[in-house]
Amino acid sequence: KAGVTQTPRYLIKTRGQQVTLSCSPISGHRSVSWYQQTPGQGLQFLFEYFSETQRNKGNFPGRFSGRQFSNSRSEMNVSTLELGDSALYLCASSLAQAGQSGYTFGSGTRLTVV
Amino acid sequence: GIQVEQSPPDLILQEGANSTLRCNFSDSVNNLQWFHQNPWGQLINLFYIPSGTKQNGRLSATTVATERYSLLYISSSQTTDSGVYFCALNRRAAGNKLTFGGGTRVLVKP
Repeated sequence: KAGVTQTPRYLIKTRGQQVTLSCSPISGHRSVSWYQQTPGQGLQFLFEYFSETQRNKGNFPGRFSGRQFSNSRSEMNVSTLELGDSALYLCASSLAQAGQSGYTFGSGTRLTVV
Repeated sequence: GIQVEQSPPDLILQEGANSTLRCNFSDSVNNLQWFHQNPWGQLINLFYIPSGTKQNGRLSATTVATERYSLLYISSSQTTDSGVYFCALNRRAAGNKLTFGGGTRVLVKP
């Protein structure tokens, strides 16, 4: 079956702009979560969506937001981009209950803010 | 929150060597996974192993939940094993939120 699909793979934006990243989970997976990876902070949890509802949120400013659609696809949005938002953004999908079968990650979107 | 520590931070191996990576965690967990991050950034799931022992080819993993640690064994290492290995886990109370360790960067030399 198809894996987790993230688009686009690479993105270059200017400070102050906004960006939208997309994630399509594995068919049948209803939970989608997002992570940010930077050299300094490692992998950090952004938020998780299940059945179109945000179920959990990490410690990121309000400029980071997301949503999930009825087909479980998810988008995350970052507004008023800052240089420090340059990172690899990873999306993971899982079954509803944490711990049933683990998480599968997409290939990521590498965002560069200039 | 839960603390996850991986050791060693860096590992250089000669092709064919064996190695053990360790992951210590500070609280009980209901999910623990080992991932390999390839040079393109993708996290490849190696093992879902909240407890017990599993093997997949040259890789195996053991989690001793009562003592709060997990081990990843790489046998007969190959250059394609190079990359960063992450341990990640979550607690039931934290919902679907994975906490990652700092990773072990592995370089296998031919």
